[in-house]
Amino acid sequence: EAQVTQNPRYLITVTGKKLTVTCSQNMNHEYMSWYRQDPGLGLRQIYYSMNVEVTDKGDVPEGYKVSRKEKRNFPLILESPSPNQTSLYFCASSLRDRGKDGYTFGSGTRLTVV
Amino acid sequence: GQNIDQPTEMTATEGAIVQINCTYQTSGFNGLFWYQQHAGEAPTFLSYNVLDGLEEKGRFSSFLSRSKGYSYLLLKELQMKDSASYLCAVRERDDKIIFGKGTRLHILP
Repeated sequence: EAQVTQNPRYLITVTGKKLTVTCSQNMNHEYMSWYRQDPGLGLRQIYYSMNVEVTDKGDVPEGYKVSRKEKRNFPLILESPSPNQTSLYFCASSLRDRGKDGYTFGSGTRLTVV
Repeated sequence: GQNIDQPTEMTATEGAIVQINCTYQTSGFNGLFWYQQHAGEAPTFLSYNVLDGLEEKGRFSSFLSRSKGYSYLLLKELQMKDSASYLCAVRERDDKIIFGKGTRLHILP
């Protein structure tokens, strides 16, 4: 089944404790992206990647890191999480052929930083 | 700069028709998407427009006017399960996809 898999679905952590949210897709998509979603603010892009070893900042990259060493994986790293990073996070992927399908989203990761 | 505007909330009655508008100003244009998102869940794809005009898919239709930077999503024969947020998103020149803040649609019986 074609899908984007995020883990974990839920995570509660403490301020300053490094964490990684994994994202993997099995559709051979070139383009991958991370978003955070907060009430009243909608989906805001954190980082995106057009292909292996190519990453770019989105609109809210501060406090996050990403890597794209393989085409299928695009982990999101919070080196020193803070409470303002409490949010619902989505990973998404798409082809780069400007087709009609847009993004396929993962199921989301609800992160709470205390 | 980038800007996608859509109403924050709308209310409609079961069985009726509702139109959700979206206006955009973005860095280039390579297509407009509408997504549906139920609370706490991932967005799911509804429709895609890249040329002017109306695209119909069952109870849902989407319209685009590139010259006006305007789109709408039309939902017919509303059902209670259509209660959700509807997200307008634009793919820009560099293939980056940016989202509006979404319209929360409430359906009344």
